[in-house]
Amino acid sequence: AQSVSQHNHHVILSEAASLELGCNYSYGGTVNLFWYVQYPGQHLQLLLKYFSGDPLVKGIKGFEAEFIKSKFSFNLRKPSVQWSDTAEYFCAVGFQKLVFGTGTRLLVSP
Amino acid sequence: GAVVSQHPSRVICKSGTSVKIECRSLDFQATTMFWYRQFPKQSLMLMATSNEGSKATYEQGVEKDKFLINHASLTLSTLTVTSAHPEDSSFYICSAIPGLNNEQFFGPGTRLTVL
Repeated sequence: AQSVSQHNHHVILSEAASLELGCNYSYGGTVNLFWYVQYPGQHLQLLLKYFSGDPLVKGIKGFEAEFIKSKFSFNLRKPSVQWSDTAEYFCAVGFQKLVFGTGTRLLVSP
Repeated sequence: GAVVSQHPSRVICKSGTSVKIECRSLDFQATTMFWYRQFPKQSLMLMATSNEGSKATYEQGVEKDKFLINHASLTLSTLTVTSAHPEDSSFYICSAIPGLNNEQFFGPGTRLTVL
């Protein structure tokens, strides 16, 4: 069975700091990879996704993620975070049925 | 993007009663909908896959007689928690896929509290 690990459970950053959230998955075959964000009081929104092609994926709001097949990783990055990025971030893997990681709570202080 | 709604957003019920949660795709037809459960400070756990016109497929450990799923149309799936107990209190989230697209669109969730 597929599994997803997010090693950072809580991250606190100051505005303008760079962000990298780790995501590792267990499945060795072809995978679709996703990062979702859940802002306080809101529903899950897709940040970006990887199905195939260029392993460096750019998403909304300045986020990007890099698929490294040899490391089974799909880390999320943003060069300079903003206070409005405070949210919970979920990595997910799957084709239609998604397996989610446990999430990372990001707090950006102004 | 595509919009998925859930109703109600919050519900409080007494132990032993049944609660129905609706999930609607507002601007697209969803051949497949998913139901997730999210406990506090935990991730989403897939409960079942709902396909229009057929029986739902439940994940291991999810009681199909307790969590009844009906996907009667291409825009509506319902989850009924039967004989609810306090341990069923959770955040229930649905998602929908437009056609063969792999991207899921999530509803805002329903907070169920069973007293």
